[in-house]
Amino acid sequence: QVQLQESGPGLVKPSQTLSLTCTVSGGSISSGGYYWSWIRQHPGKGLDWIGYIYYSGGTYYKPSLKSRVTISIDTSKNQFSLKLSSVTAADTAVYYCARMSSVGAQMYYFDYWGQGTLVTVSS
Amino acid sequence: QSVLTQPPSVSGAPGQRVTISCTGSTSNIGAGFDVHWYQQLPGTAPKLLIYANSNRPSRVPDRFSGSKSGTSASLAITGLQAEDEADYYCQSYDSSLSALVFGTGTRVTVL
Repeated sequence: QVQLQESGPGLVKPSQTLSLTCTVSGGSISSGGYYWSWIRQHPGKGLDWIGYIYYSGGTYYKPSLKSRVTISIDTSKNQFSLKLSSVTAADTAVYYCARMSSVGAQMYYFDYWGQGTLVTVSS
Repeated sequence: QSVLTQPPSVSGAPGQRVTISCTGSTSNIGAGFDVHWYQQLPGTAPKLLIYANSNRPSRVPDRFSGSKSGTSASLAITGLQAEDEADYYCQSYDSSLSALVFGTGTRVTVL
């Protein structure tokens, strides 16, 4: 059973960089066929996809966030990470990491999720 | 502002059947991209409920079913149970936005 766990600071100051790590257990992050993704949920709101990375290091980001997002992977630690720069209060959200599976081109779905971590942007 | 629209809430008595719609457009559902559904119980992370329009992971009861037609998709819950009270989200891909997108979400209340 694949499990994912987010970790990182729960409080970030405005204009700084939000950094989170997702640790994967119960399976290798290097096994092909899966993508590793970040999703966020603003308080009381819906889900917002941020981007994903493949084990080879290839990435794809939501175009509206692309200028501020970096997702990286460390296969030796079975982890992948999110960095979101120049944060504002609008970036306050619960951040989830998730495994993505595919049934075809652009046919991605999230089959395993972490429990989520709340990140608050405030001075 | 999501490109996939869901009713804010639906409700039903125990044992009844409820359906949740997910309305998109020709740049997402209508373009042939699959629709997936998630259940988010209060205070927890979302869980995959239906993938590729109508497929259930093995752990999901067959009370849950999905369908897709044209620019819309639907999730049906038959034999509604108290434990089904949750938020439900559809998800697909939008070619105009070049992004994975989620629906606006629907809260299911068991009366």
